[in-house]
Amino acid sequence: DTVLTQSPALAVSPGERVSISCRASEGVNSYMHWYQQKPGQQPKLLIYKASNLASGVPARFSGSGSGTDFTLTIDPVEADDTATYFCQQSWNDPRTFGGGTKLELK
Amino acid sequence: EVQLVESGGGLVQPGRSLKLSCAASGFTFSNYYMAWVRQAPKKGLEWVATISTSGSRTYYPDSVKGRFTISRDNAKSSLYLQMNSLKSEDTATYYCARHVFNYGSYDDYWGQGVMVTVSS
Repeated sequence: DTVLTQSPALAVSPGERVSISCRASEGVNSYMHWYQQKPGQQPKLLIYKASNLASGVPARFSGSGSGTDFTLTIDPVEADDTATYFCQQSWNDPRTFGGGTKLELK
Repeated sequence: EVQLVESGGGLVQPGRSLKLSCAASGFTFSNYYMAWVRQAPKKGLEWVATISTSGSRTYYPDSVKGRFTISRDNAKSSLYLQMNSLKSEDTATYYCARHVFNYGSYDDYWGQGVMVTVSS
């Protein structure tokens, strides 16, 4: 299975720019998607196919990358962005998720 | 507004069965693939099953293949997950999700989830 590796946690101050990385153990073309999960809630789609903003998601969120290295960027970060962010690939079967990056606000 | 509401979770003994349901509203259910994704306590996400619009095609990872069965009733806008031979490692919150298949294979709306605990 394709393993997706994310940093466990990040801490940033409101107003800053943050980049959350996701590295795949094998190429996934551009078939990488990003989800946000706030405590006690279900995941919410942010970005699909590496760089496409999902409906209703603020333009502060953006995605980039292809192949094995992908990045979710939030600029500027707001207090409401406290959450865990998961990447997911769907190029290789089975589709797999990263372990998540917990974003904390200072 | 898209709404997905899961039900049917609970405590079940190892080796027993449980069936989850998901009631969908706010979109044309029969036009979309659907999926189940689970999340063990304090853990990451794991894809469990996907079903085509008509129900004729189903997909599973090896971890649940042969034990879990996904199905749907388009007339009732409902999705189901029959779970047999349950194991302790199946303990998780199970999410019903609307699946976008033709452009990337991702889940654009998720239900609030239902907890399944497998324990004696």
